[in-house]
Amino acid sequence: DQQVKQNSPSLSVQEGRISILNCDYTNSMFDYFLWYKKYPAEGPTFLISISSIKDKNEDGRFTVFLNKSAKHLSLHIVPSQPGDSAVYFCAASDLLGGGSQGNLIFGKGTKLSVKP
Amino acid sequence: DTAVSQTPKYLVTQMGNDKSIKCEQNLGHDTMYWYKQDSKKFLKIMFSYNNKELIINETVPNRFSPKSPDKAHLNLHINSLELGDSAVYFCASSQLAGSETQYFGPGTRLLVL
Repeated sequence: DQQVKQNSPSLSVQEGRISILNCDYTNSMFDYFLWYKKYPAEGPTFLISISSIKDKNEDGRFTVFLNKSAKHLSLHIVPSQPGDSAVYFCAASDLLGGGSQGNLIFGKGTKLSVKP
Repeated sequence: DTAVSQTPKYLVTQMGNDKSIKCEQNLGHDTMYWYKQDSKKFLKIMFSYNNKELIINETVPNRFSPKSPDKAHLNLHINSLELGDSAVYFCASSQLAGSETQYFGPGTRLLVL
């Protein structure tokens, strides 16, 4: 039972264009969402997060949008750069509700390839 | 000066053996975690320790035993290794228990033959 789903295993984008990575969740208790980025042979690194009290959070070229009614979030990267090529994991937790204790539920990841 | 380090990076072993994976963080964090990424690429939490005390223990076989000698170290010992234990194991740490911003190690690739 996947509580966090990333239905696109891969995405290819031209350099300079927008990359949009999508994530859906099923557990209505989730109230905090994160994106992690992972290069080959390295561990995931935290990228950006959003709590359920917001619908948008922006950090430089990265913006995360949250649609609570649809249980959907997306990560926008604008403009995309070749160095952004990596696997992006969506993660969720019940942080604000106090039940999390750091227990992140991850999606399977989407492999982004940004072509020069 | 790696923030979260794991040893070994690669581990190839026979079924039935006992092995350990070590993790150390030099970030001064209070909480450490072990995750398993299986062949289907799911990254799932196994354990977390806060100040050397177990706070998360997901459903994993009791062949897996975490040990935290101090809050900078969380080692994972696996007894009687099975083929299905083959995976990448990631250690992570966070400043506080319940913090979702976690810092991951590079992973240990375990292959059980």
